[in-house]
Amino acid sequence: DSGVTQTPKHLITATGQRVTLRCSPRSGDLSVYWYQQSLDQGLQFLIQYYNGEERAKGNILERFSAQQFPDLHSELNLSSLELGDSALYFCASSVDRLYGYTFGSGTRLTVV
Amino acid sequence: AQTVTQSQPEMSVQEAETVTLSCTYDTSENNYYLFWYKQPPSRQMILVIRQEAYKQQNATENRFSVNFQKAAKSFSLKISDSQLGDTAMYFCAFIDPGNTPLVFGKGTRLSVIA
Repeated sequence: DSGVTQTPKHLITATGQRVTLRCSPRSGDLSVYWYQQSLDQGLQFLIQYYNGEERAKGNILERFSAQQFPDLHSELNLSSLELGDSALYFCASSVDRLYGYTFGSGTRLTVV
Repeated sequence: AQTVTQSQPEMSVQEAETVTLSCTYDTSENNYYLFWYKQPPSRQMILVIRQEAYKQQNATENRFSVNFQKAAKSFSLKISDSQLGDTAMYFCAFIDPGNTPLVFGKGTRLSVIA
């Protein structure tokens, strides 16, 4: 157990639908990062939050949004889902980013 | 923008042998940090080893060591005495002190064969 909790572990939904992925960071970590891993691809950075505020944004689609709540958990919202959104979505947290991130076990999203 | 390249999509090694995974990166920064992450079939991302660019000494963690060549912008991972549990995807990653996220290569799939 890395200390970073992601729910749900698996999600199957239809095109056009909206889903919410949840992440609880490791205790004491203020930063939360979201990454997307498509089949046989590396991890693509989506967005970062630090203590409730957006800190950095990657190539995140306009259909995707995220937020970090006062208790530091974060949610990634994916709407108008397309088949190409099927991927593994990782959340990670850090107390000092230069020492690396601690990853959750990911949410496997399948859009049918 | 920083980029990380892993030129070996797949590799295999016999159990107990040694294997080296390659990684190159591109940056104009002088101070930065490099990582290797392991992703076994469980899909969990596990930090294997970390290297600080301003340290000339290569990092070592048990059977895992790196060969860091700053001038060549090369950061390879050596796994000694390979074990079946080393079978995984291995990702090289880069970060600098600026406000940029961890950047990953596309990974190398390593299979350890009994």
